[in-house]
Amino acid sequence: DTEVTQTPKHLVMGMTNKKSLKCEQHMGHRAMYWYKQKAKKPPELMFVYSYEKLSINESVPSRFSPECPNSSLLNLHLHALQPEDSALYLCASSPQLGEQFFGPGTRLTVL
Amino acid sequence: KNQVEQSPQSLIILEGKNCTLQCNYTVSPFSNLRWYKQDTGRGPVSLTIMTFSENTKSNGRYTATLDADTKQSSLHITASQLSDSASYICVVSSPGGGADGLTFGKGTHLIIQP
Repeated sequence: DTEVTQTPKHLVMGMTNKKSLKCEQHMGHRAMYWYKQKAKKPPELMFVYSYEKLSINESVPSRFSPECPNSSLLNLHLHALQPEDSALYLCASSPQLGEQFFGPGTRLTVL
Repeated sequence: KNQVEQSPQSLIILEGKNCTLQCNYTVSPFSNLRWYKQDTGRGPVSLTIMTFSENTKSNGRYTATLDADTKQSSLHITASQLSDSASYICVVSSPGGGADGLTFGKGTHLIIQP
């Protein structure tokens, strides 16, 4: 298995909802990442997990809460989001820094 | 400051024609340079990766070049197809390139017209 999978593909939620994005990889990579990408912009790093521990938090608002249950799974819990949080959320993994494999993304719309 | 500049910002060409996308970077130290293809609303897919010692790498109709001395890279697409319509992102890897070690270009938006 040489891919990163993400679910759901699309998500529409209200500002009071709680939802979660899921990411999975079975390549044995020990670093996993969440990125946020707005239209026609490059991806912006949100979180980095290394060996299942949060190593880097790029000062993301607390309404985004990451979780890494094991080396293959990465979740992003969402609560009380704002319409400006609507974006494509990308998960990526790498065996070491800089060699990343991206998932297909979750298209999030906040109403 | 580490930066990756891509040109043109957007490009429209006819199906079957060739095109070349440019990437200039000021990232240092340098680890590797990747070209990604990203379809609208989808995750980036790696096309090529080049290290300091490599100056050409091909992947089907895609050929990337790297001049580490001038810190320039190009992506040449041969005999374009409608499915080549996408954004092409140049990404440079460096231990000092951001928290994830990466500096992203803003991409070139390519449209192939029939």
